[in-house]
Amino acid sequence: SAVISQKPSRDICQRGTSLTIQCQVDSQVTMMFWYRQQPGQSLTLIATANQGSEATYESGFVIDKFPISRPNLTFSTLTVSNMSPEDSSIYLCSVGTAPLGTEAFFGQGTRLTVV
Amino acid sequence: EDQVTQSPEALRLQEGESSSLNCSYTVSGLRGLFWYRQDPGKGPEFLFTLYSAGEEKEKERLKATLTKKESFLHITAPKPEDSATYLCAVQLSGGTSYGKLTFGQGTILTVHP
Repeated sequence: SAVISQKPSRDICQRGTSLTIQCQVDSQVTMMFWYRQQPGQSLTLIATANQGSEATYESGFVIDKFPISRPNLTFSTLTVSNMSPEDSSIYLCSVGTAPLGTEAFFGQGTRLTVV
Repeated sequence: EDQVTQSPEALRLQEGESSSLNCSYTVSGLRGLFWYRQDPGKGPEFLFTLYSAGEEKEKERLKATLTKKESFLHITAPKPEDSATYLCAVQLSGGTSYGKLTFGQGTILTVHP
């Protein structure tokens, strides 16, 4: 298994500002992902964080709004830029263990409220 | 279009009353089906991965089964601490889908003492 730490666990932000969320894993992992869980909804994949290259974004998500960094195999950040109230969600970091498909673990999430 | 549908949306049980949650899927190619438990304010907790029709996995009062079209999460003699949202997710086969999970909407389970 993998232990995933996310920071911050929650934040309240003003519209128009940006927030960077950190994800730290206790072991090297190949796959890291960022998901969004809107209020009362299920999880939606934002992007795959690729180590050493640009993230791969899902339809409906763009790099200018959700820039992602992955400087090494244990750490990634997601920035939510130019926030609006519609960005209020839980943002979750996930890792896949090797061989991928065996298990996939999640951090505890970052609860973001934009006012 | 790949779809994952969970039913029921909410389920209320009495302690000890066994039941099942359903996850039906329509996907182009299934690599694995995942079950998670999510408590309020927390990230999903991994329960099981199933890979092929006929496969079954158990953990305490939970048993997950898989067919070619759906998966069931059976809860035997549930306790109030089993109350949570149960999420089903599929991992698709194919290079561009590697590692990604597509989630259903979840079933909110409440077990009354």
